[in-house]
Amino acid sequence: DAGVIQSPRHEVTEMGQEVTLRCKPISGHNSLFWYRQTMMRGLELLIYFNNNVPIDDSGMPEDRFSAKMPNASFSTLKIQPSEPRDSAVYFCASSPFGTPLEGEQFFGPGTRLTVL
Amino acid sequence: KQEVTQIPAALSVPEGENLVLNCSFTDSAIYNLQWFRQDPGKGLTSLLLIQSSQREQTSGRLNASLDKSSGRSTLYIAASQPGDSATYLCAVSPNRDDKIIFGKGTRLHILP
Repeated sequence: DAGVIQSPRHEVTEMGQEVTLRCKPISGHNSLFWYRQTMMRGLELLIYFNNNVPIDDSGMPEDRFSAKMPNASFSTLKIQPSEPRDSAVYFCASSPFGTPLEGEQFFGPGTRLTVL
Repeated sequence: KQEVTQIPAALSVPEGENLVLNCSFTDSAIYNLQWFRQDPGKGLTSLLLIQSSQREQTSGRLNASLDKSSGRSTLYIAASQPGDSATYLCAVSPNRDDKIIFGKGTRLHILP
């Protein structure tokens, strides 16, 4: 398996633009997690899905952020409109377990987002 | 509110030395604790997971311990190698909800 795949790897955009980050989890994993990492705040869980259903989105910072998982092999994290403070590395992870509590997660390489 | 602290933020040690990385958390009610490794520009790799009922876990040269009552965990690395250079993060999962809370990590540099 190729592991968790994220695209794009780097994204530079201007304030106000819509940004869509994409993730393909490891085949057979039933949970998918979106994280954001910044120097100031460290790594934060934004939202996670179990069997394509959003379970906990309390980490999503504002209504400008939305995430979808239309099928077991694809998820998107969308920011609309983007702001400079959204600049961060966004990681997607998948797991064969049901929640972040239960065991090992496998992380993708991340998308480095810069909002000018 | 659970907070996870890792001190120091950065550490340099000569190759071959044994070393200990520290992680502390403010609320002892945790479900499990995990140690991760992050290489520059990469995602996280899970190293060890300790359930709240366990005291330690070992994998190769790595040993992680957990003392819930004092809110501390340590990651012991034996016979360090340059390839161990990375950032090490610990994370806890609280009992009562599904949050996973990360420390900001310790950036380790093993000097050849």
